[in-house]
Amino acid sequence: EAQVTQNPRYLITVTGKKLTVTCSQNMNHEYMSWYRQDPGLGLRQIYYSMNVEVTDKGDVPEGYKVSRKEKRNFPLILESPSPNQTSLYFCASSLSGGHTGELFFGEGSRLTVL
Amino acid sequence: AQKITQTQPGMFVQEKEAVTLDCTYDTSDQSYGLFWYKQPSSGEMIFLIYQGSYDEQNATEGRYSLNFQKARKSANLVISASQLGDSAMYFCAMRGGTGGFKTIFGAGTRLFVKA
Repeated sequence: EAQVTQNPRYLITVTGKKLTVTCSQNMNHEYMSWYRQDPGLGLRQIYYSMNVEVTDKGDVPEGYKVSRKEKRNFPLILESPSPNQTSLYFCASSLSGGHTGELFFGEGSRLTVL
Repeated sequence: AQKITQTQPGMFVQEKEAVTLDCTYDTSDQSYGLFWYKQPSSGEMIFLIYQGSYDEQNATEGRYSLNFQKARKSANLVISASQLGDSAMYFCAMRGGTGGFKTIFGAGTRLFVKA
């Protein structure tokens, strides 16, 4: 089954404790990206990647890191989480980065930072 | 900077009636794509419909159609014959144009379908 898989789905952590949210897709998509969803703000893009070893900042990259060492994986790293990073996070992929490809989303990861 | 505006935070529609969800966008480029996604209460994001900036015909997918007015920079979603299962959050999104490969989303419209 074609899918985007994120883990963990739910996480409660404390300020400053490094964490990684994994994302994997099995569709051989070139484009992958991370979003955070906050009430009233819709989805805001954190980082995106056009292909292996190619990443770029979205609109809200501060406090996050990403890497794209393999085509299928695009982990999101919070080196020192803070309470303002409490949010619902989505990973998504698309066949291409051009403007024609719809996004396929993971199920979301709800993160709480205390 | 690019921007997507959805001016209706919430809307009600009677079952079996049609409803239009508004979306306006701002870009100075000519090449871009517009998307609509649905988010049910279960939380997943579902792609509904796509419109390319150079497409001359409005996109349609089953009960969904996109009313694309390029000069007015609007890309409204029309849902015909609403069903109870259409109750959800709906997001308009854009990729390309001056934003490059970024995808930006509007704040969303929550649709309630009444029986």
